[in-house]
Amino acid sequence: DTEVTQTPKHLVMGMTNKKSLKCEQHMGHRAMYWYKQKAKKPPELMFVYSYEKLSINESVPSRFSPECPNSSLLNLHLHALQPEDSALYLCASSQDEGAPYEQYFGPGTRLTVT
Amino acid sequence: RKEVEQDPGPFNVPEGATVAFNCTYSNSASQSFFWYRQDCRKEPKLLMSVYSSGNEDGRFTAQLNRASQYISLLIRDSKLSDSATYLCVVPNFGNEKLTFGTGTRLTIIP
Repeated sequence: DTEVTQTPKHLVMGMTNKKSLKCEQHMGHRAMYWYKQKAKKPPELMFVYSYEKLSINESVPSRFSPECPNSSLLNLHLHALQPEDSALYLCASSQDEGAPYEQYFGPGTRLTVT
Repeated sequence: RKEVEQDPGPFNVPEGATVAFNCTYSNSASQSFFWYRQDCRKEPKLLMSVYSSGNEDGRFTAQLNRASQYISLLIRDSKLSDSATYLCVVPNFGNEKLTFGTGTRLTIIP
């Protein structure tokens, strides 16, 4: 069973809405990630937090805003999204940064932008 | 050459058969590799890590060929529950990034 949880499981939002995705991990991991996955494609990295600091931003549009309140929690704030942002948003965590540690994924939030 | 390349399939294999997938990678400095499986509309789940020449876990065997820069995944005595997409993943040395292959879709037929 996954020890990375995500809420909500499904989200439908209009282009003018503001919403947030939440992720929590219970494994004491120090690195956390946001990915976006479209159908029949592999996950695409969006952001990486290491020791609660943003270490990688893959040139993601500013309508996506990540936040790491503490080492167990990761949020993704959404504002003024476009229909093409509809996708599965996956959170992941790994033991530490830098080394090739395995990443463990949460179940994802399926987002639909109308 | 793509960083990580997989045959997309689909592979349609009868139950009980043995099936193998290959994954090629371009960075000769890569030291470790992962296989993830992803069921339809679910998250990727770690299946196996490969740090040396290979790894075996029950019906699953991963082998690494550094000279030819490929990793293979062998599934013996395949089960219906093995139907999934298998993602070959290569960590980037020195940072937290993973490079994903496009995945190989496997369907086990009763």
